Amino acid sequence: EVQLVQSGAEVKKPGESLKISCKGSGYSFTSYWIGWVRQMPGKGLEWMGIIYPGDSDTRYSPSFQGQVTISADKSISTAYLQWSSLKASDTAMYYCARLSGSYYTSPFDYWGQGTLVTVSS
Amino acid sequence: DIQMTQSPSSLSASVGDRVTITCRASQGISNYLAWYQQKPGKVPKLLIYAASTLQSGVPSRFSGSGSGTDFTLTISSLQPEDVATYYCQKYNSAPQAFGQGTKVEIK
Repeated sequence: EVQLVQSGAEVKKPGESLKISCKGSGYSFTSYWIGWVRQMPGKGLEWMGIIYPGDSDTRYSPSFQGQVTISADKSISTAYLQWSSLKASDTAMYYCARLSGSYYTSPFDYWGQGTLVTVSS
Repeated sequence: DIQMTQSPSSLSASVGDRVTITCRASQGISNYLAWYQQKPGKVPKLLIYAASTLQSGVPSRFSGSGSGTDFTLTISSLQPEDVATYYCQKYNSAPQAFGQGTKVEIK
């Protein structure tokens, strides 16, 4: 059974750094792209970027390029989303999701449960 | 980058009604279009991909159509459990993009 299990909720202060995780199981982690999706409170889904754990090829949305870093450790089947300096506007639910194929021209077929990030002074 | 625009942004319909949601891409995307359902407080779920292919386990009252720039999601007979926000997504290239969502409620 394919599963994506994300790390728990975080409460941080502006300016702090953060790295959240998404562990995949039940499939070949290195053969499928993994992506991150932001959902701000009461708002829609925003595509942030994707990574191919097999070779760490990464693609970002222009809206998030330079604002976050997506990485993966294939030895432990885990993808990451990190911030070096959080802002209050980073407060959101963050989902990881797997692309359904080995090419990035695929939709998301499996989703993690979401990680709620709250940034407040 | 390609923008995805959904309409309407919300709708209210009666149980049993036929419901149609449209999604327009700012450039042609062939059939690289998916639809997702997100129920309140839940994780999004893939309903349809390749514009018209139903994901396994999705009820047959859901259908999708379109190609190029104009796409449609239809619920043939709205059920109470279909209350959700529906998103289209283009995936013909990276960056991918979602529409802004359509909230479906029961009248």
